[in-house]
Amino acid sequence: EPEVTQTPSHQVTQMGQEVILRCVPISNHLYFYWYRQILGQKVEFLVSFYNNEISEKSEIFDDQFSVERPDGSNFTLKIRSTKLEDSAMYFCASSANRNRQSSPLHFGNGTRLTVT
Amino acid sequence: DAKTTQPPSMDCAEGRAANLPCNHSTISGNEYVYWYRQIHSQGPQYIIHGLKNNETNEMASLIITEDRKSSTLILPHATLRDTAVYYCIALPPNTGNQFYFGTGTSLTVIP
Repeated sequence: EPEVTQTPSHQVTQMGQEVILRCVPISNHLYFYWYRQILGQKVEFLVSFYNNEISEKSEIFDDQFSVERPDGSNFTLKIRSTKLEDSAMYFCASSANRNRQSSPLHFGNGTRLTVT
Repeated sequence: DAKTTQPPSMDCAEGRAANLPCNHSTISGNEYVYWYRQIHSQGPQYIIHGLKNNETNEMASLIITEDRKSSTLILPHATLRDTAVYYCIALPPNTGNQFYFGTGTSLTVIP
């Protein structure tokens, strides 16, 4: 069964550094998402992306965050200047279309970001 | 989106059916009920969804009451690998609304 894959599985960075988290969505999917989960807390929506632009974003997704689909297969999340509170698991997801009756979100296994 | 309410935790004996309840008393006519689960340190995994008819797939069954105010996810023969947090989410289809995960039910399958 096709999977969403994320790299790296664990990223350690120093406060103030830029990080790029990478995702390869399922190949025929058109909608892409980033979620995050701070340790012990809920899974939180960050952003959705379709047709090379952001569809929706939450209040968490401020100017420090950006997303990009640089080629036909990768979907990236960039954090420009990391803060300690950015430490979390970051999950990428994709869906074939916006009609969730036929296409639920499929999630990757996440990148654990640790900011020191 | 309709608010959903789930018990914080449940136990189930291995091999027995696990019945996970969810209340969604404010659900509207076009809101589907989705179930996901999250096994420790992994991404949320889609299980099943439905509107008003009961649904079954290879993982689970979903029973939705006639008034649609509550539903039950049934894992017919729970295994240790089913130990996870289970999330019930009510969401209209074909909209820009995103999945918002609550705190879910932490299911522990006991040997």
